[in-house]
Amino acid sequence: GAVVSQHPSWVICKSGTSVKIECRSLDFQATTMFWYRQFPKQSLMLMATSNEGSKATYEQGVEKDKFLINHASLTLSTLTVTSAHPEDSSFYICSAGVGGQGYEQYFGPGTRLTVT
Amino acid sequence: DAKTTQPTSMDCAEGRAANLPCNHSTISGNEYVYWYRQIHSQGPQYIIHGLKNNETNEMASLIITEDRKSSTLILPHATLRDTAVYYCIVRVVDSNYQLIWGAGTKLIIKP
Repeated sequence: GAVVSQHPSWVICKSGTSVKIECRSLDFQATTMFWYRQFPKQSLMLMATSNEGSKATYEQGVEKDKFLINHASLTLSTLTVTSAHPEDSSFYICSAGVGGQGYEQYFGPGTRLTVT
Repeated sequence: DAKTTQPTSMDCAEGRAANLPCNHSTISGNEYVYWYRQIHSQGPQYIIHGLKNNETNEMASLIITEDRKSSTLILPHATLRDTAVYYCIVRVVDSNYQLIWGAGTKLIIKP
């Protein structure tokens, strides 16, 4: 149980284009989802927290107009990287929170974004 | 949340027990010790957590000292697939969900 999927698993896009990454909780409902970014040889950095039906809360230094997060249902959150640039190339990981079970986070497999 | 200190890297021979230490000397009474691991280019995987008693599951054992200022994750029979970065995190189990990720320990299992 508690499986989280991400799509796509990897994507290459040209500078200036936008990319959407989907995060789904497959066998449970998640009221809270999280988006992380991880650069090579570094730890995970929380970008934002989103609650279903509400606006996302962004961490300091994360541009909300560049990283658009939509959490329209209890099983789906999307992250859109707008006007991507090479410095946005990174590993993006989502997680879904299950409040009734100790407020655990269950992680997706990650999406590798490369901007050329 | 309290900070944790872990060695940067460790090696272990395949088939042997891997013992990963973690210091959390400023841990509060209501903070749990969590362990996750991240295999290269994958999302983090939950391993185990505990408050003060030792815990064991199908993946690992967690030994927490009596004063709770340190803990050890034990992988009893390490395999090559256990090569990963292991993160020790202390957190309060509440609606905040917050996980503060340190640098972790890069564990390399050698044949």
